[in-house]
Amino acid sequence: QQQVKQSPQSLIVQKGGISIINCAYENTAFDYFPWYQQFPGKGPALLIAIRPDVSEKKEGRFTISFNKSAKQFSLHIMDSQPGDSATYFCAARGYYGQNFVFGPGTRLSVLP
Amino acid sequence: DSGVTQTPKHLITATGQRVTLRCSPRSGDLSVYWYQQSLDQGLQFLIQYYNGEERAKGNILERFSAQQFPDLHSELNLSSLELGDSALYFCASSVGARGGTDTQYFGPGTRLTVL
Repeated sequence: QQQVKQSPQSLIVQKGGISIINCAYENTAFDYFPWYQQFPGKGPALLIAIRPDVSEKKEGRFTISFNKSAKQFSLHIMDSQPGDSATYFCAARGYYGQNFVFGPGTRLSVLP
Repeated sequence: DSGVTQTPKHLITATGQRVTLRCSPRSGDLSVYWYQQSLDQGLQFLIQYYNGEERAKGNILERFSAQQFPDLHSELNLSSLELGDSALYFCASSVGARGGTDTQYFGPGTRLTVL
C-alpha cells in the first residue's frame, strides 16, 4: 500500500512535443503529490505539487492532472525542450507525518 | 541551489571500511532525511530526524546509523562497507511540519564508491 507506481520507465519526445508521465497509488491516506526533476549528478528538485482537492494544477509548461477516484496522477510537459531532459520522480505523502514514497522514476529525453 | 549542503561530494573507500557523510539543512528547517540512490534506481528512504530525534526509519541497514546534532546538522555513518553500498546518498531537509505540504529540499548528494 505504500508503493507508488510510475510509467513509462523511459520516454523519448521530439522538441515541441508533449511529455506525459503517469503515476498510481493505493494508499488513500496520501494527500500530497509532488513531482521532482533530477539532472545527472544533481539532487532532485521540486518541480510542481498538487493536493487531491483539485483536479489540475498548471505552472508554466508543467501541468499535474489528478484523478482521485482512480488514484492516479500525471505530469504533462507541454512544448518539451531539450533542457527538460532529466529523470522525473512522482511522490506521495500522507497528512500524519508519513514519509514521502517515491516512484521509480522516468528518464525523459527530448530530441532537438 | 537548494540551501542543503552535503560533504564530501565524492568518497572512495574499500570494503569493510567505515565512512561518515555530513549534511547541513536549510536555514530554519528542523527535519533531515537520508536517501540512497543506486545506479539507475529510485530513491530509497533510509531515515528521518526531526529536531534531534529520530522520527521515521525506512530501509536502513543495521550497518548504517545516523544522528542529528543540536545545531541540526546530520551525519550518516556507514560501516562494514560492501560493494553494494556504492550509491549516491542524498540528504533532504524540510520544516518538518506534519502537514502533507511539507516540502523536501534535496542536497547535491555524496557519491560513495566502495572498491
